[in-house]
Amino acid sequence: EIVLTQSPATLSLSPGERATLSCRASQSVSSYLDWYQQKPGQAPRLLIYDASNRATGIPARFSGSGSGTDFTLTISSLEAEDFAIYYCHHRTNWPPTFTFGPGTKVDIK
Amino acid sequence: QVQLVQSGAEVKKPGASVKVSCKASGYTFTSYYMHWVRQAPGQGLEWMGIINPSGGSTSYAQKFQGRVTMTRDTSTNTVYMELSSLKSEDTAVYYCARDQRMDVWGQGTTITVSS
Repeated sequence: EIVLTQSPATLSLSPGERATLSCRASQSVSSYLDWYQQKPGQAPRLLIYDASNRATGIPARFSGSGSGTDFTLTISSLEAEDFAIYYCHHRTNWPPTFTFGPGTKVDIK
Repeated sequence: QVQLVQSGAEVKKPGASVKVSCKASGYTFTSYYMHWVRQAPGQGLEWMGIINPSGGSTSYAQKFQGRVTMTRDTSTNTVYMELSSLKSEDTAVYYCARDQRMDVWGQGTTITVSS
């Protein structure tokens, strides 16, 4: 069973700063790693799929990188609406298995 | 536009069952798998299972095997998730999400299990 670990648990930053979030897998997941954003009271939203592809409508300030076991979500310049919880997620097609990381909370410093 | 609309909040007693619906619109229903994911209060996301709306095949997370049933109705473009033998720990928001990538989510359904 693949386990995803996210760090840090909380990231306190100011608007305009750069955010770097990490996700580490317990074994290689190739590039099958997605990132989601969740704001209080809302459903999650897909940001990045397959490690580095922005989902439809996602601003260019969000970027993803990595492969194998180490992945990074970068927000180049934080805007007010970016303060949220971010989850990484791994999927395997067969047998179907979908695993979420514990999340990183980005809050306002 | 692509949309998933879920049924409303429910309160259930321990030991009961609950059935949550997720109605899809704006796309070809049978072309995309559908997941169910839940989130307990203040906790992270937990994958429950997946259904193929085309043939109805399912795969469930081991934790929920024997307690969860996912079905679909192609005449109404709706998927259902039924969870039985409810416990207080099943109190959570339940979401449906489309496709392997979970690119579209329902608004969530709050299920409260309390005596």
